[in-house]
Parts: sequence; structure tokens; C-alpha cells
Amino acid sequence: AQSVTQLGSHVSVSEGALVLLRCNYSSSVPPYLFWYVQYPNQGLQLLLKYTSAATLVKGINGFEAEFKKSETSFHLTKPSAHMSDAAEYFCAVSGYTGRRALTFGSGTRLQVQP
Amino acid sequence: EAGVAQSPRYKIIEKRQSVAFWCNPISGHATLYWYQQILGQGPKLLIQFQNNGVVDDSQLPKDRFSAERLKGVDSTLKIQPAKLEDSAVYLCASSSYSGRAYNEQFFGPGTRLTVL
Repeated sequence: AQSVTQLGSHVSVSEGALVLLRCNYSSSVPPYLFWYVQYPNQGLQLLLKYTSAATLVKGINGFEAEFKKSETSFHLTKPSAHMSDAAEYFCAVSGYTGRRALTFGSGTRLQVQP
Repeated sequence: EAGVAQSPRYKIIEKRQSVAFWCNPISGHATLYWYQQILGQGPKLLIQFQNNGVVDDSQLPKDRFSAERLKGVDSTLKIQPAKLEDSAVYLCASSSYSGRAYNEQFFGPGTRLTVL
């Protein structure tokens, strides 16, 4: 069974500050890990993915995440927040064999203060 | 390339009524997913199709929900009868399929259902 825990349902940062959104996973098989972003009234957009290649993954819009097997974590970071980063962020996991549907965390709403 | 299309975008119904949602995946995508996203939660898989066959429907409330994907292209998700707790956004996603390799899921804009 797979699961994802996102710590902090709301995160608020100042524009230009570091963004850190936390995600821990549980998986009985080596996982694929994802971060998605959702803007109001829009579908989910893939930010980045880990598929067992490099453990530091770079995505769109300056975001990156590091897969740490020993900590079962896949935290999302961005060095400098922009107002346009305000959105809901979801961490997700899937197995790489068999069922590939995504199991999502409960989401973290990022607020960026001017 | 056209994305995943869903309709309607919004639907309001009374409890015990029936409702249907439609999804048109990206052309050529063999795998289609329906997810339910309740306010304040992450999306949860309802059903996964591979072409026109069901891969996983273990979380689909089969007493009231049904889905089909005739001809392996478009899909419809139906709720009959609806309950208040069915109020949610229903997301459709599609991906290509190539065995063990990873294939990105592309999501539609969703249908927001309100049950009164």
C-alpha cells in the first residue's frame, strides 16, 4: 500500500523568501514521486517527478525536490517565492509496476505575501 | 496538442438525482483515470481504464457510481442517485502506455459537482 503525508495544510511566505513544502511517503515498492500544482478552478499541472534516476529533480518554474530514501521524503523547494507561486500543491506517489494510478497527499496551500 | 476535455464544468443537482460527466482524453492515450477531489483533500482514484477495460475500480462506490469507456476513447462517469457527500470536483486524466516505463498523467480542468 502507498500513502503520502504532507505536513502543513497552509504555508505562508514572503515574496523572495525560500519555499519549502514537505512530503513524506510510504511505499512497499520503489516509488515514483510527483509534485503537482493546482491553480483555482484549474486542473492539476505536473511540476516535477522522480522516477529512480537522479535524486535531485528540477522542475518547472524554478522548483526542485530531493528524493531521500533514508528519510522517505520528497520535499519541494524554491529559492525565491514569486506572487504567481500562490496555489495548492500536491505530492503524489505511484508504484512503477502494475497499478500506476496516483495516490495524493491532502495538499498544501501556499500563500505568498508581498 | 489538445488537452483532456471535460464537460460540464459545473453542475448543481438535488440529492437523489442522477448526473453524468464526460471526458475526452488526449488522442492516442490508452489509459484513462477518474479521480474524485473533495474540498480540502487530495484527489482520490475512482476508476482506471486501460483502453476499454477496467484496471482498478476498487474505490468506486459501485452501488451508485458507474463508468464506461466505450471504444477505448471517451468516457462517462455516472452517479445515481447522488448523495450530499458526492459534492466534489471530478477530475479526468489520461496517459499513454508503454509497459513498465513511466507515462505522465495529464489532467482535465474537472467538473465541480454540488449536491443540494
